[in-house]
Amino acid sequence: EVQVVESGGGLVQPGGSLRLSCAASGFIVSDYYMDWVRQAPGKGLEWVGRTRDRARSYTTEYAASVKGRFTVSRDDSKNSVYLQMNSLKSDDTAVYYCARGPTSTTAPGAFDIWGQGTMVTVSS
Amino acid sequence: DIQMTQSPSTLSASVGDRVTITCRASQSISSWLAWYQQAPGTAPKLLIYKASNLESGVPSRFSGSGSGTEFTLTISSLQPDDFATYYCQQYNSYSLTFGGGTKVELK
Repeated sequence: EVQVVESGGGLVQPGGSLRLSCAASGFIVSDYYMDWVRQAPGKGLEWVGRTRDRARSYTTEYAASVKGRFTVSRDDSKNSVYLQMNSLKSDDTAVYYCARGPTSTTAPGAFDIWGQGTMVTVSS
Repeated sequence: DIQMTQSPSTLSASVGDRVTITCRASQSISSWLAWYQQAPGTAPKLLIYKASNLESGVPSRFSGSGSGTEFTLTISSLQPDDFATYYCQQYNSYSLTFGGGTKVELK
């Protein structure tokens, strides 16, 4: 079965750091763009960042709201993607979803596989 | 960033109704638009990609249309599982953006 599973969420103090993981199964992560999307409680969806596939040298893009604080990375040996979050603020409180994007061949493309999400709460 | 504006924000309808949701982009995005459905407490699910292409496994009562800056999602005959929130998303630019969502609720 093709799926992604997020982990690593929790409670963190303002200014702190957290690393989220996204483990993929049923497909090879290095063949796809992989994205992170978040949803604050009761709010809509906000794209956070992406890592492109191996053919695009794993280049990254970020939303302005997280640029310089968040980093998307990969570990192909673990078929996983990560979101390192630093200098966390209360506004970063949200459910964070990992989503599969297109390949470099099919780009641009939508997110066809989503994980169940992991909750991050930034509070003192 | 490209802004995506959905209307209405809430829609009250009955089972069997034909429902239309509109999404407007602040600049042309060609046909690089997707629609997602999100039921409460669950992850979004892809319904439509490239404005009018039905994702595999999605019922044919869902359809999408439009190009440039104006797009619509239509549900031809609303079913009980369709009461959810719907989001449009543009993927034309490096910075991807979603609409604010349309909640379809029972009248």
